[in-house]
Amino acid sequence: GQQLNQSPQSMFIQEGEDVSMNCTSSSIFNTWLWYKQDPGEGPVLLIALYKAGELTSNGRLTAQFGITRKDSFLNISASIPSDVGIYFCAGQLSNNNDMRFGAGTRLTVKP
Amino acid sequence: EAQVTQNPRYLITVTGKKLTVTCSQNMNHEYMSWYRQDPGLGLRQIYYSMNVEVTDKGDVPEGYKVSRKEKRNFPLILESPSPNQTSLYFCASSLFGGAYEQYFGPGTRLTVT
Repeated sequence: GQQLNQSPQSMFIQEGEDVSMNCTSSSIFNTWLWYKQDPGEGPVLLIALYKAGELTSNGRLTAQFGITRKDSFLNISASIPSDVGIYFCAGQLSNNNDMRFGAGTRLTVKP
Repeated sequence: EAQVTQNPRYLITVTGKKLTVTCSQNMNHEYMSWYRQDPGLGLRQIYYSMNVEVTDKGDVPEGYKVSRKEKRNFPLILESPSPNQTSLYFCASSLFGGAYEQYFGPGTRLTVT
């Protein structure tokens, strides 16, 4: 099935640095979602984007729905140790109701 | 407390022995879904259900069955498990559809030997 290409696979940053990750696809998506997964738990929604070009913030997190509807990025500003985890992008394809997830970006924040 | 529960949390079984992983939500959500998570592949959708008695295949439905006889429950059935179904499984639910916020269960780690 159509997959989302998420990059980078992993990031090692210093506390206080900004972080950027993105997802791209050859398919058009109606919705882009960003989730965070902590060890041993299920993913938790961070930001949902419903319109092409939409830019949405949630505290230190900002995400954008690409104008082509084929990509999205997530930025985290001034990272803190509790930002550690795996971040997933997800999208709902434009022609059906099923969801696609990226492979995840594993973030490590060094104090 | 609003939640999605899965049982069992851990399961080790042998090839060919039928098993069922239960999923239940108490939020009156219409949409429920099953995913498997494998290293380097993220989450892949197995099946989803838009409402009672309505189920559809996701990205990787082969070897799995589901049923939605009640709104709150969405069991995942492996009729004849194989080692390539060893994975971490998540059930999720949302109010209307996958594009809305999905609440995930705690996961079921399945090992098929």
